[in-house]
Amino acid sequence: DAGVIQSPRHEVTEMGQEVTLRCKPISGHDYLFWYRQTMMRGLELLIYFNNNVPIDDSGMPEDRFSAKMPNASFSTLKIQPSEPRDSAVYFCASSRRTVGYTFGSGTRLTVV
Amino acid sequence: GENVGLHLPTLSVQEGDNSIINCAYSNSASDYFIWYKQESGKGPQFIIDIRSNMDKRQGQRVTVLLNKTVKHLSLQIAATQPGDSAVYFCAEILTQGGSEKLVFGKGTKLTVNP
Repeated sequence: DAGVIQSPRHEVTEMGQEVTLRCKPISGHDYLFWYRQTMMRGLELLIYFNNNVPIDDSGMPEDRFSAKMPNASFSTLKIQPSEPRDSAVYFCASSRRTVGYTFGSGTRLTVV
Repeated sequence: GENVGLHLPTLSVQEGDNSIINCAYSNSASDYFIWYKQESGKGPQFIIDIRSNMDKRQGQRVTVLLNKTVKHLSLQIAATQPGDSAVYFCAEILTQGGSEKLVFGKGTKLTVNP
């Protein structure tokens, strides 16, 4: 298995632009998590899905953030409009219930 | 509330020494804990896990200890190597409405000096 695949690895965008981050979970995993990592706040859970259904989005910072999981093999995290304070590394992770929490390599987002 | 925190933000050891990284948690209902290692530029990598019905679990060169009485976790790394240099996170599984989420502590940076 190729593991959790995230794209792009790096994204530089201008303030106000829309940003879309992508994630392909491990096949057979029914949980998918989006995290944001910054020096100040560490690893924050933004949202997670179970069987493609959003379960808890309480970590999504603002309405500018949205996430979708149209099928079991794909999820997106969108920021519109982006702001400099959104600059961070965004991780996607997937798991089967209680086992196999596996992280992708992350997307480093820089908003200028 | 949900809170997983670390006692020591940085730890520096000599190669060959044993390392101990500590973690406190506040949710007594948590029943599953995981230690992750994160190297620069990479995502967190699973090291070892432990369930609340255990107080110790051993892996290859790593041991996790769980003290539910004081809500404390520790990760012990034997014969620490330069390749062990990384940030280490403890994480707990919180169950809500039949689903689970993984919540991380702040992390401890381990530096292994040759």
